[in-house]
Amino acid sequence: GQQLNQSPQSMFIQEGEDVSMNCTSSSIFNTWLWYKQDPGEGPVLLIALYKAGELTSNGRLTAQFGITRKDSFLNISASIPSDVGIYFCAGLRTTDSWGKLQFGAGTQVVVTP
Amino acid sequence: EAQVTQNPRYLITVTGKKLTVTCSQNMNHEYMSWYRQDPGLGLRQIYYSMNVEVTDKGDVPEGYKVSRKEKRNFPLILESPSPNQTSLYFCASTASNYGTDTQYFGPGTRLTVL
Repeated sequence: GQQLNQSPQSMFIQEGEDVSMNCTSSSIFNTWLWYKQDPGEGPVLLIALYKAGELTSNGRLTAQFGITRKDSFLNISASIPSDVGIYFCAGLRTTDSWGKLQFGAGTQVVVTP
Repeated sequence: EAQVTQNPRYLITVTGKKLTVTCSQNMNHEYMSWYRQDPGLGLRQIYYSMNVEVTDKGDVPEGYKVSRKEKRNFPLILESPSPNQTSLYFCASTASNYGTDTQYFGPGTRLTVL
């Protein structure tokens, strides 16, 4: 079954606003990943996190690996229209190999001008 | 260009008619996976392969088969498709098992089973 709870399910925001989403789990994860999926495309990796407490940025995107190792957060600052898409969190539990990546259900982001 | 290709991109078929979705990567990656994406459920792993002739079940393997006879190819086989297998399917590959390598996804195959 699904291990990760991702919220919110969807967000409708105005251009220029900041966006925050998170992912939580009852299990400990040793790797957290954030992906973006554009319409009609496969997911593309945005940020990878490997240590508890780690804070990593990629342009206007910032993600954090929660210190409990059971959650992660993604922030998008000053959103622009091309930020539209579905954002997925994904994680690897300590006992799983890379082949057992778990995904959240996704956050649909819609940006209006 | 590094890429994962899938074929076909779209397929409409009928219940019980065997089909194969091909996946190929040109990056010499060891790990390959198949996922299905359904609304509200995100991506769920069907099968994965750690190398040639080494495969294992993911979270939702029922009704699917895979094979890994060559490193670059990882076809997904539906022996007797059913309507509940209507979904968007993604193949992915990554270089190793160490979690430090990017997982590349294919463009997706939208399958409809009538």
